[in-house]
Amino acid sequence: KNQVEQSPQSLIILEGKNCTLQCNYTVSPFSNLRWYKQDTGRGPVSLTIMTFSENTKSNGRYTATLDADTKQSSLHITASQLSDSASYICVVRSNTGNQFYFGTGTSLTVIP
Amino acid sequence: ETGVTQTPRHLVMGMTNKKSLKCEQHLGHNAMYWYKQSAKKPLELMFVYNFKEQTENNSVPSRFSPECPNSSHLFLHLHTLQPEDSALYLCASSQVGPDHQPQHFGDGTRLSIL
Repeated sequence: KNQVEQSPQSLIILEGKNCTLQCNYTVSPFSNLRWYKQDTGRGPVSLTIMTFSENTKSNGRYTATLDADTKQSSLHITASQLSDSASYICVVRSNTGNQFYFGTGTSLTVIP
Repeated sequence: ETGVTQTPRHLVMGMTNKKSLKCEQHLGHNAMYWYKQSAKKPLELMFVYNFKEQTENNSVPSRFSPECPNSSHLFLHLHTLQPEDSALYLCASSQVGPDHQPQHFGDGTRLSIL
């Protein structure tokens, strides 16, 4: 069964600290993995995309990694800011048709 | 306007009412989607339209009826909804192709069923 699991479910960190969010998936055949940020009351916005051949990709303070062998991805946030408070959603796309599989998200709260 | 616009942003309706959600994309994409987002659950895909043709209907109850009159507009017609239908309804669009284009989401309609 194609699934995407994220951990932790929620996380609270102090401003300026780093954190890492995890995404494990069983989707096959794999096309790509994308991390989205969803602010409260807004729709998800794409942060990064990882294809099969990519191990690491950065977007400012966000760095995503992908291990296609173990089917794991992580999103590392460096020097967190209050504006990083949001839900982070891992989405895996299958090569079969136009199928997307969503994780339940990690709710991140950055406190001063 | 740019991106994906959804109206209304909030909707409260009784179980016997009929209402419609509207989505408009200004990105020139060829696919549009309706998702349901409930607390602590993954986004649930409801409907997909590719080039105005419905390609997926994920066992959605008939009280939800989609309409895609053209490639830029998508509607979700609602009638005789149930309390468990209260959720955030997100519309998305994308350019379907081999180059890994992302889905662009609207900010959703927060639906509450009384």
